[in-house]
Amino acid sequence: GENVEQHPSTLSVQEGDSAVIKCTYSDSASNYFPWYKQELGKRPQLIIDIRSNVGEKKDQRIAVTLNKTAKHFSLHITETQPEDSAVYFCAASGKDSSYKLIFGSGTRLLVRP
Amino acid sequence: GAVVSQHPSRVICKSGTSVKIECRSLDFQATTMFWYRQFPKQSLMLMATSNEGSKATYEQGVEKDKFLINHASLTLSTLTVTSAHPEDSSFYICSAPLNFDRGEAFFGQGTRLTVV
Repeated sequence: GENVEQHPSTLSVQEGDSAVIKCTYSDSASNYFPWYKQELGKRPQLIIDIRSNVGEKKDQRIAVTLNKTAKHFSLHITETQPEDSAVYFCAASGKDSSYKLIFGSGTRLLVRP
Repeated sequence: GAVVSQHPSRVICKSGTSVKIECRSLDFQATTMFWYRQFPKQSLMLMATSNEGSKATYEQGVEKDKFLINHASLTLSTLTVTSAHPEDSSFYICSAPLNFDRGEAFFGQGTRLTVV
């Protein structure tokens, strides 16, 4: 089955700097890669996603890149703000795995004011 | 966007008792729902896939007799934690894909289960 690895586990940046979180996946049949932000005790919130037919997607300060050949994808947050502090999860899914979302281990992002 | 409603949000129960968690899709039909468990400071681990009108599919290592899943209608899936023990204390959360072709999933609010 699918296996998703995520790095780093914790990331501390100064406000205004960029943050990058990386994930790799194992199942070449996976074709949907969402990123979630989760605050303590709350449900994961989708912040951006990418499908395997594109290599990059951007939404204001957030961007995601996908390298299908290497089976890795990354989340980029620019001009970080203290309110970006949270736990971020990557995930992967595909038709062959019945669209189950398999999550990475999570990255705790701390943006220092 | 689509709404998935999960209840209760918090529950405290005694060891040995059973707890039922409900997950409803409010504005769409969910033929499939996924149940996840999340321990503190850990990731969401898929427990099982709930299929309307058929038996649930459990992930490896998840006891199907302990975590009973019922998906009796296109809008309701339930997870019952039977004979709960303190080690079952966790955050349980359901999700439903809105559109299989698009792959998007919508999550319930989650249930914080504490077994004392």
